[in-house]
Amino acid sequence: EIVVTQSPAALSVSPGERATLSCRASQSVSTNLAWYQQKPGQPPRLLIYGASTRATGIPARFSGSGSGTEFTLTISSLQSEDFAVYYCQQYSNWPPVTFGGGTKVEIK
Amino acid sequence: EVQLVESGGGLVQPGGSLRLSCAASGFTFGSYAMSWVRQAPGKGLEWISIISGGGSTNYAGSVKGRFTISRDNSENTMYLQMNNLRVEDTAVYYCAKDWANWNAYFDFWGLGTLVTVSS
Repeated sequence: EIVVTQSPAALSVSPGERATLSCRASQSVSTNLAWYQQKPGQPPRLLIYGASTRATGIPARFSGSGSGTEFTLTISSLQSEDFAVYYCQQYSNWPPVTFGGGTKVEIK
Repeated sequence: EVQLVESGGGLVQPGGSLRLSCAASGFTFGSYAMSWVRQAPGKGLEWISIISGGGSTNYAGSVKGRFTISRDNSENTMYLQMNNLRVEDTAVYYCAKDWANWNAYFDFWGLGTLVTVSS
């Protein structure tokens, strides 16, 4: 099973600042990695797939990068609606599909 | 517009059974794999099962042998039969639409249904 680890667990950022979230896989997943955003009481929303391709309707301030075992989600200028929990997920070698533990982006 | 609506959650005793449903609309249901993903209270996401458009299935180890995923393409509905439920199965259960058929990442999610396993 591929273990996916996210860091940090929580991140305090001021509106308008950049946020950088990290995701590490225990073995190479190539670019078979997705990012999701989840707000309280809501289901997850797909942001990024293929490590760097934005899903339909996702603003350009969200960008993904990386390959192999190291990945990054960058939010270039945080808006109020971006404060949420972010999960990465590998779909390279499954079952099982595996998610990271999440990074909570909080208002500083 | 894609819509996924889960139902069937509730309170059940340990060892009991529940059947969840996911009613889909707004896309060609039979052309896409579908998954169940759960989230325990205050915790992260856990994928538990997938079914292809043609009915091939896979399961997470934590539910294999206890849960059965199925679908009725004529009714645009997916199911999760959950047997021998444990306290640790308590979670919100989401149905999720695959990007395609067997890609295993998810572009639409339902709002979820809460399953509580407790005596």
